[in-house]
Amino acid sequence: AQKITQTQPGMFVQEKEAVTLDCTYDTSDPSYGLFWYKQPSSGEMIFLIYQGSYDQQNATEGRYSLNFQKARKSANLVISASQLGDSAMYFCAMRGRVGNQFYFGTGTSLTVIP
Amino acid sequence: DTEVTQTPKHLVMGMTNKKSLKCEQHMGHRAMYWYKQKAKKPPELMFVYSYEKLSINESVPSRFSPECPNSSLLNLHLHALQPEDSALYLCASSQPGGGNYNEQFFGPGTRLTVL
Repeated sequence: AQKITQTQPGMFVQEKEAVTLDCTYDTSDPSYGLFWYKQPSSGEMIFLIYQGSYDQQNATEGRYSLNFQKARKSANLVISASQLGDSAMYFCAMRGRVGNQFYFGTGTSLTVIP
Repeated sequence: DTEVTQTPKHLVMGMTNKKSLKCEQHMGHRAMYWYKQKAKKPPELMFVYSYEKLSINESVPSRFSPECPNSSLLNLHLHALQPEDSALYLCASSQPGGGNYNEQFFGPGTRLTVL
């Protein structure tokens, strides 16, 4: 069975500071994909970043980077230079080798303080 | 075009009404999804269509009826809903699985209120 755990229900960060959102996962699949999504109060789920289980390097997309530690089964999202517009819910998700199902964590609510 | 569209944006309906939610994508994706989401909670998977065939039904009550008329369209027919069905309904699409880890693209959602 696949499981995603996000242990931080809410986080606060000062504007322009960096913040790390935690995500751990559990799977018996040897091959899988890990994703982070942002959901502002408007409701739309926005894809941020992807990490494949066999990728040798940590993924980066602009101010977003993924700290992937395969042995620890963790895939933490790092947001650098936080902006007020980063205030949102953030969901970590995983997709296994077969099938079409995505498994979501419970989410972290991030608030950026001016 | 990396867009998934959903209509309507908002819907208010009584418990005896019949309504439909619509979703469309033109990215050539062959997997399409319906999710239900309550505030501050993760999306809950309802249905998955793969190559226009229903592949996953997460024990959803029969008052929700999905339909995939073609590879670009996905509908969710609603009938005799309950107030607890009020939620944000998200449609998503992706390439099918089998070693393919492309992300899901989500639509903006339909905010449904059942009175």
